[in-house]
Amino acid sequence: DIQMTQSPSPLSASVGGRVTITCRASQNINSALAWYQQKPGKAPKLLISKASILETGVPLRFSGSGSGTEFTLTISSLQPDDFATYYCQHYESYSPKFGQGTKVDI
Amino acid sequence: EVKLVESGGVVVQPGGSLRLSCAASGFTFEDYYMHWVRQVPGKGLEWVSLITWEDDSTYYADSVKGRFTISRDNSRSSLYLQMNSLTAEDTALYYCAKGLRWFGTILDSWGQGTRVTVSS
Repeated sequence: DIQMTQSPSPLSASVGGRVTITCRASQNINSALAWYQQKPGKAPKLLISKASILETGVPLRFSGSGSGTEFTLTISSLQPDDFATYYCQHYESYSPKFGQGTKVDI
Repeated sequence: EVKLVESGGVVVQPGGSLRLSCAASGFTFEDYYMHWVRQVPGKGLEWVSLITWEDDSTYYADSVKGRFTISRDNSRSSLYLQMNSLTAEDTALYYCAKGLRWFGTILDSWGQGTRVTVSS
């Protein structure tokens, strides 16, 4: 069973700052990784698939990179709307697995 | 616009059963993988189950295998989750989610969730 581990958690950041969240897979998952954003009281929102492909409408300050076992989600200039919890997800199986989440707060 | 609306969440006693429903609209329901994902308040996301569009194959997390059953009714654009032998560990907000057409285990649309509480 593939395990997904995110770090750090939580993450304190400032508006305008650069944020990097890491997601590690317990074995090689190639680029089969998605990132989601969840705000309090809301459903998750898909940001990125295939490790680096931004969904339509996602601001360009978000980017994803990585392959194999190590992946990163970067927010280049944190905006007030970006304070949320971020989850990575391995999806190349019929048993998708989420990381434990990284809360980005002030 | 894709819309997913869950219902059926209630307070149920341990050992009890419950059926959740998800009404879908805004897309051709029969052409998509559909999922249930749950979240304990204040905790992370846990994928629960999926049903494919090709042949209604079903898959489950180990934590619910043998107790939960996912199903779909394409004529009603509805997804269901039959939950049996419930325990306190099943207490969570249950989301219905839709998979991407090109890769069904990427979840691109979510409902707002329905709350299940297992308590005596």
